[in-house]
Amino acid sequence: AQSVTQLDSQVPVFEEAPVELRCNYSSSVSVYLFWYVQYPNQGLQLLLKYLSGSTLVKGINGFEAEFNKSQTSFHLRKPSVHISDTAEYFCAVRTGGSYIPTFGRGTSLIVHP
Amino acid sequence: EPEVTQTPSHQVTQMGQEVILRCVPISNHLYFYWYRQILGQKVEFLVSFYNNEISEKSEIFDDQFSVERPDGSNFTLKIRSTKLEDSAMYFCASTGATLEQFFGPGTRLTVL
Repeated sequence: AQSVTQLDSQVPVFEEAPVELRCNYSSSVSVYLFWYVQYPNQGLQLLLKYLSGSTLVKGINGFEAEFNKSQTSFHLRKPSVHISDTAEYFCAVRTGGSYIPTFGRGTSLIVHP
Repeated sequence: EPEVTQTPSHQVTQMGQEVILRCVPISNHLYFYWYRQILGQKVEFLVSFYNNEISEKSEIFDDQFSVERPDGSNFTLKIRSTKLEDSAMYFCASTGATLEQFFGPGTRLTVL
């Protein structure tokens, strides 16, 4: 079964600083990768996804992620965070044969002024 | 922009009572899902539904749970006899031709 590891449960950072949220998955022949954001008291919103093609994926709100097949990683980055980026971020992986993604435990991004 | 909606936003119930959580998926979507998120834990898959039947379910989705699409718009999750450990956020999602999942805002279930 597919597994997703988000190594950091919490990432505190100051406003305008860069941030990287890490995600690793267990290897598979073909995977589709997603990052979701959950703002307080809201549902999950898709930030970005990798289905195929360029390994550098750009998403909403200035976020980007890079698919690294050899390291089985899909880390999320933003060069300069805002207070409004404070939220829970979930990495999810779906294999080619399933419509059901497996979610990581989430990383809480806390942006301080 | 079309969105998935869920009602109620918060449900409080007594242990042993039945609850029905409601979802209205995006209208032209064909796949529907329920997930739950216990406070502080990861999002867990419960069940997927396609063509009026369950296509996949997790081990969490035992006989206490059932899903139904009673009409052309609603998708419901029923918990027959709630337990304390059913307290969680329940998310509905739907998928269309792009296979991207769109999530609803969730229903917070509190079992007392």
